Amino acid sequence: QVQLVQSGAEVTKPGASVRVSCKASGYTFTGHHIHWVRQAPGQGLEWMGWINPNTAGTNYAQNFQGWVAMTRDTSISTVYMELSRLKSDDTAVYYCARVGGTGATTYLDYWGQGTLVTVSS
Amino acid sequence: QSALTQPPSASGSPGQSVTISCAGTSSDVGAFNYVSWYQQHPGKAPKLMIYDVSKRPSGVPDRFSGSKSGNTASLTVSGLQTEDEADYYCTSYAGSNNLVFGGGTKLTVL
Repeated sequence: QVQLVQSGAEVTKPGASVRVSCKASGYTFTGHHIHWVRQAPGQGLEWMGWINPNTAGTNYAQNFQGWVAMTRDTSISTVYMELSRLKSDDTAVYYCARVGGTGATTYLDYWGQGTLVTVSS
Repeated sequence: QSALTQPPSASGSPGQSVTISCAGTSSDVGAFNYVSWYQQHPGKAPKLMIYDVSKRPSGVPDRFSGSKSGNTASLTVSGLQTEDEADYYCTSYAGSNNLVFGGGTKLTVL
């Protein structure tokens, strides 16, 4: 069955960077784009961007351009999301999610369990 | 791109129907048939309920249905059940390989 398993919770300081991983299984890793979505405490979902695991091509939401980087390692079917120059309002749960079908941006049919990133001095 | 507009809350009694709207623009909801809806229970990851405006993934009850008219999409939950109480989010393809989310609607089953 399709599974996306994310890395564990992180606590980090303002100005630092954080990297969250998302390991895929149960399907052809290079066949589906992976998106990242975050949710601040008590807030809604915010789209961050996507990576094409086949080509490593990326597309970042305007709000995150310049300080997010999405990469992948096909040998271990894992994608990574790194956010730099963290601020306290980057405290959120970060989700990876798989695109259904073959398009880049249609719908997200499987989601990881989420990773809580806490930014605090 | 701006977020899609959803009502902050909706409610209904068990057995009733409720409709949640998702207002976009001619650049996102109105331009593409790539509207999807997600259900999120507290502390859980979102779950896909509707995709491509009105299609239901396997396993989603047929009490959930989606539609679109112009720049506004809608999710209707018929025969409300207590387990339907959750937050619901719409998304739409917004061109240039971008996705946009709605602000979310908290559905309360009275």
